Amino acid sequence: AQKVTQAQTEISVVEKEDVTLDCVYETRDTTYYLFWYKQPPSGELVFLIRRNSFDEQNEISGRYSWNFQKSTSSFNFTITASQVVDSAVYFCALTGGTDKLIFGTGTRLQVFP
Amino acid sequence: KAGVTQTPRYLIKTRGQQVTLSCSPISGHRSVSWYQQTPGQGLQFLFEYFSETQRNKGNFPGRFSGRQFSNSRSEMNVSTLELGDSALYLCASGVGTGADTQYFGPGTRLTVL
Repeated sequence: AQKVTQAQTEISVVEKEDVTLDCVYETRDTTYYLFWYKQPPSGELVFLIRRNSFDEQNEISGRYSWNFQKSTSSFNFTITASQVVDSAVYFCALTGGTDKLIFGTGTRLQVFP
Repeated sequence: KAGVTQTPRYLIKTRGQQVTLSCSPISGHRSVSWYQQTPGQGLQFLFEYFSETQRNKGNFPGRFSGRQFSNSRSEMNVSTLELGDSALYLCASGVGTGADTQYFGPGTRLTVL
């Protein structure tokens, strides 16, 4: 069975701090895909990144970076120099090749000015 | 390109009634998936449609059904509403080739009284 664990329920930081959101996954598939989504208070899930199981390269996009490690089944997300606008719930998700996403329980990030 | 649209945005129903939610995918996308989000259960997959055919189904009772039209628009129906059906219902669209990035709409918030 597939499973995504986001152990951090809520994180609070002050603006300009760096913050890392953890994601650990379980799957028996050899080919799988990992995602991160952001859900602001408006409710819409905003796509951030998609990574396939064969690509372990870390990725950086502006203040966002992702660290994918198959050896530890982790796909962690770091926000550098956090801003108030980063406040949201962040979800990690997994799929094994279909369009059915298995989501973690989410991490609520609060960035205070 | 316009994003995924969902109507209505808010609904209030009473127990025993039925409800139909609508989703229009991003132009050119052929896959539509539905998810239920509640505080207790998190984000759960309901079903996925591709080219008017249900391709995947989650673990929900038969009261939850859906369909997709030839223009890729999708509807979701819940019959005999229960209090526990109160949730944010999110629709996502993708190109449809499997494990594509899914782009989410703003959701329909259903309240069952």
